[in-house]
Amino acid sequence: TQLLEQSPQFLSIQEGENLTVYCNSSSVFSSLQWYRQEPGEGPVLLVTVVTGGEVKKLKRLTFQFGDARKDSSLHITAAQPGDTGLYLCAGGDNYGQNFVFGPGTRLSVLP
Amino acid sequence: EAGVAQSPRYKIIEKRQSVAFWCNPISGHATLYWYQQILGQGPKLLIQFQNNGVVDDSQLPKDRFSAERLKGVDSTLKIQPAKLEDSAVYLCASSFGSGYYEQYFGPGTRLTVT
Repeated sequence: TQLLEQSPQFLSIQEGENLTVYCNSSSVFSSLQWYRQEPGEGPVLLVTVVTGGEVKKLKRLTFQFGDARKDSSLHITAAQPGDTGLYLCAGGDNYGQNFVFGPGTRLSVLP
Repeated sequence: EAGVAQSPRYKIIEKRQSVAFWCNPISGHATLYWYQQILGQGPKLLIQFQNNGVVDDSQLPKDRFSAERLKGVDSTLKIQPAKLEDSAVYLCASSFGSGYYEQYFGPGTRLTVT
């Protein structure tokens, strides 16, 4: 069974600061996804990374997939209160099965 | 485009009772997932359907949980009998395919077992 670990578990920062959260595994993933979840709602996809070493940018968010496809990171520049939420990484095996989510990083951006 | 619908949104039952959750996925989505999300944790996959067939139910507690997806559209998840540790949010998601396809989630059903 593939497992995903995320760090830090909690992060509280001031508006305007930069931050990076990490997603790690001992297993190789064919792709990894990042979702954001707000209270009382289901997760919403932010990005999918599929190629080792890939970097994707989504406005102030930068996602990187490790060369070995075992880890990923999410960097947020100039965080805003609207970025507050639970950030989850997720992935499955090459057959689209055994889909797992990490435990998440709970981000709080204070105005 | 209508999103994934789930009902009920909230349910409170006593232990040893039974409960059922319903999910209507996005039209045309072949893959349907049920997740259990315990407070403070990430979602845990319970079962994955491809059309009306099960492709992954390795983490479904089959002695008490069951799920079906008749005609490859709507799905129901049942718990019988419920235990205190089943208190969680049950999320349904659908996607066009499995693997790297985006999963669209419903709002979830919050179950409290007393």
